[in-house]
Amino acid sequence: SQQGEEDPQALSIQEGENATMNCSYKTSINNLQWYRQNSGRGLVHLILIRSNEREKHSGRLRVTLDTSKKSSSLLITASRAADTASYFCATGSKEGNRKFTFGMGTQVRVKL
Amino acid sequence: DSGVTQTPKHLITATGQRVTLRCSPRSGDLSVYWYQQSLDQGLQFLIQYYNGEERAKGNILERFSAQQFPDLHSELNLSSLELGDSALYFCASSDRTSQETQYFGPGTRLLVL
Repeated sequence: SQQGEEDPQALSIQEGENATMNCSYKTSINNLQWYRQNSGRGLVHLILIRSNEREKHSGRLRVTLDTSKKSSSLLITASRAADTASYFCATGSKEGNRKFTFGMGTQVRVKL
Repeated sequence: DSGVTQTPKHLITATGQRVTLRCSPRSGDLSVYWYQQSLDQGLQFLIQYYNGEERAKGNILERFSAQQFPDLHSELNLSSLELGDSALYFCASSDRTSQETQYFGPGTRLLVL
């Protein structure tokens, strides 16, 4: 089974609205990362948050991490049509960063 | 452009055949990761190499093998192909110091008929 589980599986919003998606994981982690994938293309790294951090910002992205609940959230503010993509969380294991485990992803569609 | 290259972009072959996918990591990166992405299984980690040595193994079938060469490029060999092996195969590399962030190539789309 996947270590990271994104929720919801799909999200449809209007341009300008905020999009929030969540990621839950099972084991202790060293870090958690979010990636974006446009249809059929390679994943692009968005942001990394370490296990000792609670919140991180990058442009219109805000990531939170709650290690007690083993969950993370990604917020995209003021969404744009170009944000239409699948978003994946990936956890880096405590045994060094040798193994990354991705979830199934959240498909986000931003309507004009 | 991540700096990771993969060839070929598309591959169509028949069941029972063998194919080789090639990946070149970003300049200076020592780690290479291989992933399989299919509609029903999501992104599955297959295997990781670091400076020529196998470092971690995921859900890689025995029919699949990989290696990393002295020039750091990597090849993923898929043999006795089955219909279910049709998928996108991604290679990623990570920087030699932290190895925290992965940079993905554009992928190879494999179709087994």
